[in-house]
Amino acid sequence: DIQMTQSPSSLSASVGDRVTITCRASQRISTYLNWYQQKPGKAPNLLIYAASASQRGVPSRFSGSGYETLFTLTISSLQPEDFATYYCQQTYSAPFTFGQGTNLDI
Amino acid sequence: QPQLVESGGGLVEPGGSLRLSCAASGFTFGDYYMTWIRQAPGKGLEWVSSITTRGGAVGYADSVKGRFTISRDSVKNSVFLQLTSLRAEDTAIYYCARDSLYYYSSGNTGYYYYYMDVWGKGTTVIVSS
Repeated sequence: DIQMTQSPSSLSASVGDRVTITCRASQRISTYLNWYQQKPGKAPNLLIYAASASQRGVPSRFSGSGYETLFTLTISSLQPEDFATYYCQQTYSAPFTFGQGTNLDI
Repeated sequence: QPQLVESGGGLVEPGGSLRLSCAASGFTFGDYYMTWIRQAPGKGLEWVSSITTRGGAVGYADSVKGRFTISRDSVKNSVFLQLTSLRAEDTAIYYCARDSLYYYSSGNTGYYYYYMDVWGKGTTVIVSS
């Protein structure tokens, strides 16, 4: 199975900060990488697919990049509604594993 | 507006069974793969199972293989997850999600990217005596 490791596991930041979350794959996955945001008590919400393609309706401050084993999610200027948990997921091969999550708080 | 609504969760004893349902509306159900994801209390997301458009191919996480069965009904616009031989570690919120496809071609090579763009609110399964 492909292991996905996110760093950091938790992160404290302030409104207006630029934040980067890293996701590492245990083997090469090309750009088969998605990012999701989850707020407490809610279902996850898709942000980025295919490593860098933005889902419709997602604010432009969210961007993704990366290839093969190293990927990043960047929030260019944190807004109050961005404080949440973020997950990466590989869709290169089953089982389609998630990272352990990054909890972003104030 | 595409929507997914899960049902069927509840409290069940270890070794018991449940059947989860996910009703789809607002989109052409037969055009999409469907997936179940779960989240144990205070834990991260775990992919559980996926099914192709006509149900011809399915996949399962190792943790549920042989115990869970995914299926779909194009008339009812629903996807199901049959849970058997339940264990305490199966306690979780179970989410149903729609898999959308992004196709990209470069030269003579095509790339198929799947991503879960519509999610239900989840149904809770508690396995306890």
